[in-house]
Amino acid sequence: DQQVKQNSPSLSVQEGRISILNCDYTNSMFDYFLWYKKYPAEGPTFLISISSIKDKNEDGRFTVFLNKSAKHLSLHIVPSQPGDSAVYFCAASALWSGGGADGLTFGKGTHLIIQP
Amino acid sequence: DVKVTQSSRYLVKRTGEKVFLECVQDMDHENMFWYRQDPGLGLRLIYFSYDVKMKEKGDIPEGYSVSREKKERFSLILESASTNQTSMYLCASSLPRSGSFYEQFFGPGTRLTVL
Repeated sequence: DQQVKQNSPSLSVQEGRISILNCDYTNSMFDYFLWYKKYPAEGPTFLISISSIKDKNEDGRFTVFLNKSAKHLSLHIVPSQPGDSAVYFCAASALWSGGGADGLTFGKGTHLIIQP
Repeated sequence: DVKVTQSSRYLVKRTGEKVFLECVQDMDHENMFWYRQDPGLGLRLIYFSYDVKMKEKGDIPEGYSVSREKKERFSLILESASTNQTSMYLCASSLPRSGSFYEQFFGPGTRLTVL
């Protein structure tokens, strides 16, 4: 039962164009969403996040959009650069009532390839 | 600068061995987590801890145990390693979730191979 879905295992985009990575979720208790970027043999690094009280968050070239009614979020990267080639993970959090800690539920990832 | 370190980058063990994976964070974070990453499966939560000596099972705790004797250190233990535990293991830490911002910081990972 996959609660966070990234249906595109890979995505190829030309340098300078917009990259759009999609993520769907099923658990309506999720109220915070994050995107992580991961290079091979390294740990994931935080990219951008969004709370469910917002529908958009922007940070430089990265924008995350949240559509709560559709349970869908997307990450836009514009313009795409060669260094953006990596695996991108969508993650979701539901505030845990038991003390504050909560593990993230991750999607399977999308491998973004930026072509020169 | 925020830092999560893991004791080994690469580890090779034999089936049936007891394996310890160590994680240390220097950010005074209350929460610590162990995930494994497998191709096509993403990251899956094994165990987490929100305080010293406290632990909670994640989504895939079978075959694993954890120990948190000090706030900065969280150990993952494979009591009797099996080949299906060959994976990339990632440790993370965070402050308790509150307000409108939350982030987990990850270590570099340990690539464990069980032969």
